[in-house]
Amino acid sequence: DTGVSQNPRHKITKRGQNVTFRCDPISEHNRLYWYRQTLGQGPEFLTYFQNEAQLEKSRLLSDRFSAERPKGSFSTLEIQRTEQGDSAMYLCASSGRGFPRVDEQFFGPGTRLTVL
Amino acid sequence: DQQVKQNSPSLSVQEGRISILNCDYTNSMFDYFLWYKKYPAEGPTFLISISSIKDKNEDGRFTVFLNKSAKHLSLHIVPSQPGDSAVYFCAASLSNSGYALNFGKGTSLLVTP
Repeated sequence: DTGVSQNPRHKITKRGQNVTFRCDPISEHNRLYWYRQTLGQGPEFLTYFQNEAQLEKSRLLSDRFSAERPKGSFSTLEIQRTEQGDSAMYLCASSGRGFPRVDEQFFGPGTRLTVL
Repeated sequence: DQQVKQNSPSLSVQEGRISILNCDYTNSMFDYFLWYKKYPAEGPTFLISISSIKDKNEDGRFTVFLNKSAKHLSLHIVPSQPGDSAVYFCAASLSNSGYALNFGKGTSLLVTP
């Protein structure tokens, strides 16, 4: 296990379609975070999980966005009825209590979404 | 509203000199501050962090300074190397909100030979 992985790396879809992204965190990490990054901006926090519990989801951008982490391992982020404004890089990060620091998050390479 | 601000979009420094990247924040409740480095087509990579109970943290060529009264932090890179050329993001978090990171917009650093 060499780091956080995300699939797919790129996704092109048509407006109105649903898309799902997957994140596999570092195996011993219990926290998992989703961020979105648009051009010229820093990553923007969306939601996070501690084990399988979703502890913060008020920052999800709309009710079209949802995330799951069913067994406390990998996570999925789904966007329903995509809009052109959803085009962005979606980043996943993980961290573990005291590993090596509670505040350090390790990021995956991201999934770039393009909505036509 | 942007709680973490990096007001310099870009910075150019000669190899061997000091690079100073600045960051301001508005939420006095933030208790952890971090710097990440990002290359194109990659996710951000953690560089260095500092707790709000400290005012300085050093790791090799990288030092972060925190001035809580001014709500300001800075990253010093000494000496700068061409491989340091990347976008640097400042981030802040609250321990009681799961350490979710609030990022600035980034500063693009170019280190020239």
